[in-house]
Amino acid sequence: QVQLQQWGAGLLKPSETLSLTCAVSGGSFSGFFWSWIRQPPGKGLELIGQSGQINHSGSAYYNPSLKGRVTISLDTSKKRFSLTLRSVTAADTAVYYCARLSYCGEDCYAFDSWGQGNLVIVSS
Amino acid sequence: SYGLTQPLSVSVALGQTAIVSCEGNNLGTKNVNWYQQKPGQAPVLALFRNDIRPSGIPERLSGSKSGNTATLTITSAQDGDEADYFCQVWDSSTGVFGGGTKVTV
Repeated sequence: QVQLQQWGAGLLKPSETLSLTCAVSGGSFSGFFWSWIRQPPGKGLELIGQSGQINHSGSAYYNPSLKGRVTISLDTSKKRFSLTLRSVTAADTAVYYCARLSYCGEDCYAFDSWGQGNLVIVSS
Repeated sequence: SYGLTQPLSVSVALGQTAIVSCEGNNLGTKNVNWYQQKPGQAPVLALFRNDIRPSGIPERLSGSKSGNTATLTITSAQDGDEADYFCQVWDSSTGVFGGGTKVTV
């Protein structure tokens, strides 16, 4: 049973950089997209981005609304992936989740495993 | 960008049936996944490819699709079904979520 364990700083000031890491255990790191999703307080889910599939061609996808501030990186040797979000503002305050995105059939990909979530607050 | 529309809330009496809808353009051509999120917890995949339950998801949760509307049905709703439910599809090489529906039992 795959498990995702995430960690990172929970309180940031405006203009700082958000950094979160997610470790994968109990399952393969290859053949999946590794994703970050956030949820502002009391609101819905927003996909931040997903990595390219390991051992397959294809690049990462980032939500255009984040305007080039985001990077998702992979460390295959440690089975970890990370989120970097630069120049944060109060609008970036949210619970951040890491998740595994798995193939579930033609034109079907589902987030089938999730980390526990980290509340990140941006405040001066 | 692609959009999915869900009702903000659905109320259901204990033991009765709740229906949560998810509407989207050309949804009939897409596979729909559903997530259940209980208060203070991470979302859990509840249904994938429209109507398939992962292991551990109770049989009283079921899914269907007709035209541009997908539906999650909770039969004989229990207190433990009180949660937010999100639909999701794969579009333009990424995942797209609906806004979520709060189900109150």
